Amino acid sequence: DAGVIQSPRHEVTEMGQEVTLRCKPISGHDYLFWYRQTMMRGLELLIYFNNNVPIDDSGMPEDRFSAKMPNASFSTLKIQPSEPRDSAVYFCASKPSGTSYEQYFGPGTRLTVT
Amino acid sequence: EDQVTQSPEALRLQEGESSSLNCSYTVSGLRGLFWYRQDPGKGPEFLFTLYSAGEEKEKERLKATLTKKESFLHITAPKPEDSATYLCAVQAAGNMLTFGGGTRLMVKP
Repeated sequence: DAGVIQSPRHEVTEMGQEVTLRCKPISGHDYLFWYRQTMMRGLELLIYFNNNVPIDDSGMPEDRFSAKMPNASFSTLKIQPSEPRDSAVYFCASKPSGTSYEQYFGPGTRLTVT
Repeated sequence: EDQVTQSPEALRLQEGESSSLNCSYTVSGLRGLFWYRQDPGKGPEFLFTLYSAGEEKEKERLKATLTKKESFLHITAPKPEDSATYLCAVQAAGNMLTFGGGTRLMVKP
């Protein structure tokens, strides 16, 4: 299996622009998670889906952030408008059904907002 | 609220010098404690899952243990390629993980 795939790997944009991050989970995994990692706050969960349905979005910072999962093999995280404080590494992870199975992470997207 | 604290924040070892990393946690109803390794510029890589106090798991030079309040990652005779950030996470109810801040390990030859 190719693992979790994320694109782009790096994104540099100007403040106010829309940013879309993409994720393809591991085939057969029912859960998909979006995380953000910064030096100050570490790794934080933003939102997660089960069978394409958003289950918990309490970690989404504000209305500028939105996430969708139109099918089992694709998810997007959108920031509109972007701000410099959104600069971070964004990870997507997936896991199979079951209570405590481990999550498998993608390589991340490094976002820089100038 | 679930809390995970890892110590030390950074650890420098000479090759072959064994040591331990600590993960202290506060959680209501632990369903699993996870250890991950993260190399620079990469996503976290799964190492171990521990489910109950007293459980131990090993992989090469790494051994993870669990008590009711903390977990240890023991590194025996480390090599430079063990240099990485080690992350600890807990899962309580649901499927959400709460991560600690990580321990950055540097092993010098």
